[in-house]
Formats: sequence, structure tokens, C-alpha cells
Amino acid sequence: QVQLVESGGGVVQPGRSLRLSCVASGFTFPSYGMHWVRQAPGKGLEWVGVISDDGKNKYYADSVKGRFTISRDNSKHTLSLQMNSLRADDTAVYYCARDLLGFSGGWYVPTDYWGQGILVTVSS
Amino acid sequence: EIVLTQSPGTLSLSPGERATLSCRASQSVSSNYLAWYQQKPGQAPRLLIYGASSRATAIPDRFSGSGSGTDFTFTISRLEPEDCAVYYCQQYGYPLKGITFGGGTRVEIK
Repeated sequence: QVQLVESGGGVVQPGRSLRLSCVASGFTFPSYGMHWVRQAPGKGLEWVGVISDDGKNKYYADSVKGRFTISRDNSKHTLSLQMNSLRADDTAVYYCARDLLGFSGGWYVPTDYWGQGILVTVSS
Repeated sequence: EIVLTQSPGTLSLSPGERATLSCRASQSVSSNYLAWYQQKPGQAPRLLIYGASSRATAIPDRFSGSGSGTDFTFTISRLEPEDCAVYYCQQYGYPLKGITFGGGTRVEIK
């Protein structure tokens, strides 16, 4: 069965960096675009960014562009989110999610499998 | 960026009733690239509808989506107790003008 397991969350001071990981299993990871979506405590969903199946194409929300970087290691079935210059409003549960379609070099966007989420708290 | 406005904010209905949720976009959503998700407390979201009206795998047919352009509707034809959740719409129109979620509609079962 498809599983996505995030790790790397925790408490970090404003301005510092944190790297999240998401290990995938149960499907052909190299064939799917992958997304990060976040949810601030008690708030709605916010799409963060996406990376294509081959890692060559990426697209980010304006709120994180230039600060966050998505990468992937298809040999290790691992997705990563490098978060720099963190701010208090980055505090959220971060989810990795699989694109619905195996779309070569791109993405479709609706996400059919999600991890359990990992909490990132930015606070001094 | 396309802004999605969902209404009502909360919907309180009895089991067996019909629930109608609205999602209005600030600009036309190309190719009806609109999805609906269900999120229960403490859980990750679950994809219900994509392409405005296509049901995702294993989603019961009492869930349906419709609409085009700027106005989209999500319907639960006969509410069941387990449908208590927050429902979000998401647009992903191409060329990309951002990928955005609506603010959500909470469905409560009386």
C-alpha cells in the first residue's frame, strides 16, 4: 500500500533553517510528481510547492519562493523540503503528497495520497 | 493568483439530507481544473473530486462535483454521520496562476 512518512520537524528559531524529509513506499516513486502542502494550527490548507517526477521542474507558492527548496532522490524514494529564513508564519503541519497522475516532467496537481504530516514550529 | 471563496462557512444538516457547498473563483479556472478534498479532525486531507466532476478512486457516488468557469458546487446527496468534516476546494488551472485552496466549509451532522 502507498505510504508517505514525513520526518524532520520540530521547533526552530526565526531566521534559522530546517529540512523535512518524506520517505515513500508502495508505489513507483520516480514516476510521480510530489507536493508539499502545509496547514497552520487551526487554519486551512496552503499549497507550498511541487517537483516533477525527474526533479527537473519545480514550482513554488509566492509565500515561500526564494526561501524553500524542494528536491528528491529517486534512488532512495525520498522527497525533501529545505526551509531557510524561517518566519513565525511558517509554523504549520507540513504534508507531503503524491500527484494523482504519473505525469512525465510535470504534474497534474490533485494529490491522492498524503503523509500523516509533521509539525514545524518557528518560535524564539 | 486565483482566490477561491467557499460558502457557507459552516453547514449543519441531519443524516440523509443533501449538502450543497459552493466554491467561487476570482477568475475563470481554465479547463475546470478544480478539486475537492475532505479533511476530518487529526487526519490528512482526502481527495474526493478532480477535474470539477471526476470522482477519485473508491469515492462513493453520493459525492459529486459540478460547475465551470468561476462557479463550482460540491454535493453530498445523502449525508451520513461519517461525512462530518471540513471540505476544501483547490484550483490548479493552466497556465499556472498559483495553486490555491479555498478557506473550507465545515459540515456538521445534527
